[in-house]
Amino acid sequence: ETGVTQTPRHLVMGMTNKKSLKCEQHLGHNAMYWYKQSAKKPLELMFVYSLEERVENNSVPSRFSPECPNSSHLFLHLHTLQPEDSALYLCASSQARGAGGPLGDTQYFGPGTRLTVL
Amino acid sequence: ILNVEQSPQSLHVQEGDSTNFTCSFPSSNFYALHWYRWETAKSPEALFVMTLNGDEKKKGRISATLNTKEGYSYLYIKGSQPEDSATYLCAFRDDYKLSFGAGTTVTVRA
Repeated sequence: ETGVTQTPRHLVMGMTNKKSLKCEQHLGHNAMYWYKQSAKKPLELMFVYSLEERVENNSVPSRFSPECPNSSHLFLHLHTLQPEDSALYLCASSQARGAGGPLGDTQYFGPGTRLTVL
Repeated sequence: ILNVEQSPQSLHVQEGDSTNFTCSFPSSNFYALHWYRWETAKSPEALFVMTLNGDEKKKGRISATLNTKEGYSYLYIKGSQPEDSATYLCAFRDDYKLSFGAGTTVTVRA
């Protein structure tokens, strides 16, 4: 257990559906991240929240909408996705972002949500 | 987009054998190099954070070295065991973010 949980673990949705992925961290961290992993590709950073403020958005399509209501919870709202959005979505948290030294950058990951878009 | 390369993409090792694999990263704007182990259906798990040229880290039978001047890190597994089967990710930290490699998947055969 890394202290980061994600629900659901698996999700199948149609292109017209709206769904949400949830992430919760129990580590007292201040930064949270969404990553996308497609087959055989590196983890691709999507969004970063630091102290509940979005500090990075890596040109992610607007059909992905993140929300961070507090420092322990992070959501990814999904709307009118495409089949190419099928992937593993990982959430992570860290003690600090850009501060706290290299150890503060260590990210603790959840197990991911396997998303299939039909 | 930073180029973080890991090789080989996959390897098979006989139980008891030792192995190693490489992470290559840009040699400029270096801040830290992270290694993670990712077992199937589990969360990636942090192994090492390395910051100084010449750093060596060890955790049990797994160790890593760092060369920031030439931009590479090696991860070694000594006396591989089936429980070492996993994908090993490296991540390069520059001024402000982590960039991950695609990983080396290690399969240890009993």
